[in-house]
Amino acid sequence: VQLVESGGGLVQPGGSLRLSCAASGFTFSSYSMNWVRQAPGKGLEWVSYISSSSNTIFYTDSVKGRFTISRDNAKSSLYLEMNSLRDEDTAVYYCARDRNWDFDFWGQGTLVTVSS
Amino acid sequence: QSVLTQPPSVSGAPGQRVTISCTGSSSNIGAGNDVHWYQQLPGTAPKLLIYDNNNRPSGVPDRFSGSQSGTSASLAITGLQAEDEADYYCQSYDSSLSVVVFGGGTKLTVL
Repeated sequence: VQLVESGGGLVQPGGSLRLSCAASGFTFSSYSMNWVRQAPGKGLEWVSYISSSSNTIFYTDSVKGRFTISRDNAKSSLYLEMNSLRDEDTAVYYCARDRNWDFDFWGQGTLVTVSS
Repeated sequence: QSVLTQPPSVSGAPGQRVTISCTGSSSNIGAGNDVHWYQQLPGTAPKLLIYDNNNRPSGVPDRFSGSQSGTSASLAITGLQAEDEADYYCQSYDSSLSVVVFGGGTKLTVL
């Protein structure tokens, strides 16, 4: 199992960024997926969940209306579209495979820095 | 303020046993939602250590064990080794908030 995130970088407040997570080593279309973030020096925070068929999606309150999770099973890829970014969105963003509302495999993370 | 409460730090000497507590409420752990534990070594991604309260994924040593009772859970590490020095996080699901919740994390120092 391998999960590789990309797309992080420096963005100004109010800006947008799209994160990607390329999955391999397992049948991607059979698993729900999540995004989890970790602000510098802080703990883990769950961000969003998407079911295997994209039928069910959840977000933490602080990103609702700003972030959009999606997936392309044909490409074994997970995405996070982030708009109206705020300073407090600065974090390492991890994609994580969902086992049963726990996360059995994680990517190495991609750093998003929101700063002017 | 995390929904699940963990001690900020614990420490122990090599070979000793340490426990890390995770206190929740009637809407998460107390509601019967499973507790999971993660180990995050410095500079790396979290790794699933214990799932469904007391199960170890393949490859996790049996020095690590989990338990749950009422609105709390615990992670125990026996035969402490230098390589166990890491941050540990508990995680569950909160039925009232309808979100995944994490503890604030506990830094384990091996003396």
